[in-house]
Amino acid sequence: GNSVTQMEGPVTLSEEAFLTINCTYTATGYPSLFWYVQYPGEGLQLLLKATKADDKGSNKGFEATYRKETTSFHLEKGSVQVSDSAVYFCALTGYSTLTFGKGTMLLVSP
Amino acid sequence: GAGVSQSPRYKVTKRGQDVALRCDPISGHVSLYWYRQALGQGPEFLTYFNYEAQQDKSGLPNDRFSAERPKGSFSTLEIQRTEQGDSAMYLCASSLVRNRGPSTDTQYFGPGTRLTVL
Repeated sequence: GNSVTQMEGPVTLSEEAFLTINCTYTATGYPSLFWYVQYPGEGLQLLLKATKADDKGSNKGFEATYRKETTSFHLEKGSVQVSDSAVYFCALTGYSTLTFGKGTMLLVSP
Repeated sequence: GAGVSQSPRYKVTKRGQDVALRCDPISGHVSLYWYRQALGQGPEFLTYFNYEAQQDKSGLPNDRFSAERPKGSFSTLEIQRTEQGDSAMYLCASSLVRNRGPSTDTQYFGPGTRLTVL
């Protein structure tokens, strides 16, 4: 079946540091890939998505590229801010719905 | 515009009681999804609807869990004879396009209902 594996957190960074959160997946067919973010006390929000191989999703300075050859969709940001502190979930579409990773907590200090 | 709303936001109940959780999707959204999120974990699929038809309920853990969407608008997730293991965040999401599978349409999530079973 489908599965998503994310690096375990928490990831602790200083403001303006470079961020990478690794995500790899196992899936049949050609899934779409997503990153969702959950800020403290809030619901899940779509951060970015990519629907086919080699697509790059981007939003708010975050980027991720759909790599079919390595079955990966790593999240990157060049310079994190304190306001980026949240839990980040990698996800893929199965036949009818989303399969999520366990989430990676990001903590950014001033 | 208004997003997905869920009520109640918090629910505390005693073991053995029945609970009903409500989800109001974004207006005009065709597909509606339910997920459950345990503490420190990612959301897990429970069931979904296209309009009023329940398309997939493979994620419901057992027959104590049921869901309906009678008029193709709001949905109710019911848990009968609750157990402590049912304690979790219950998330609802909706998407604009009818889910024909495999879906690429974006799902928009509500704030969730935090259920605690004592």
